[in-house]
Amino acid sequence: GAVVSQHPSRVICKSGTSVKIECRSLDFQATTMFWYRQFPKKSLMLMATSNEGSKATYEQGVEKDKFLINHASLTLSTLTVTSAHPEDSSFYICSARPGTGLNQPQHFGDGTRLSIL
Amino acid sequence: RKEVEQDPGPFNVPEGATVAFNCTYSNSASQSFFWYRQDCRKEPKLLMSVYSSGNEDGRFTAQLNRASQYISLLIRDSKLSDSATYLCVVKEETGYALNFGKGTSLLVTP
Repeated sequence: GAVVSQHPSRVICKSGTSVKIECRSLDFQATTMFWYRQFPKKSLMLMATSNEGSKATYEQGVEKDKFLINHASLTLSTLTVTSAHPEDSSFYICSARPGTGLNQPQHFGDGTRLSIL
Repeated sequence: RKEVEQDPGPFNVPEGATVAFNCTYSNSASQSFFWYRQDCRKEPKLLMSVYSSGNEDGRFTAQLNRASQYISLLIRDSKLSDSATYLCVVKEETGYALNFGKGTSLLVTP
């Protein structure tokens, strides 16, 4: 089945550090990938839609200069949290769809738990 | 952003019980509907898609009522391993991003 790999799974950094998270579709090509964020006891919230070869589309309230997204190939999207601060500590999850049908479900990476000290 | 509402629970049920979760969504033009399961500190995993005709997979039955904008999930003969958070998920009519409910927490006890 479709597999999405996310790396790293856990990051602990000092405030001010920039952190890059990778999302790879291992056995399919994904022209579109999604980045979500989940705070404790909250729902997953879409941060941005990553489009291969073009600029990402950010949801309202998400700073594009803070959360840099690069989708340089059909199997890799990266999210960089620049100058991370404690309030950026969260669970970040990427997802991708293997097909184009309307009812195709998304497959999620394992998530990255980011802790900023 | 369009809303997906769920009762957060928690639902505490004994093994073998039948439990039902409900979900409502506000965007009548929503296209696709899913139930995902999320274990503590893990990524969501697709449990099943939801269709107007109903969808059954073993002990799990999902139902969609488009007129009422209501989705349900029924779990029969609950197992300890069913303990998790169940996320109601809706795909809007444009694009492919998913809109998640906050999840319903289920704890199955011996």
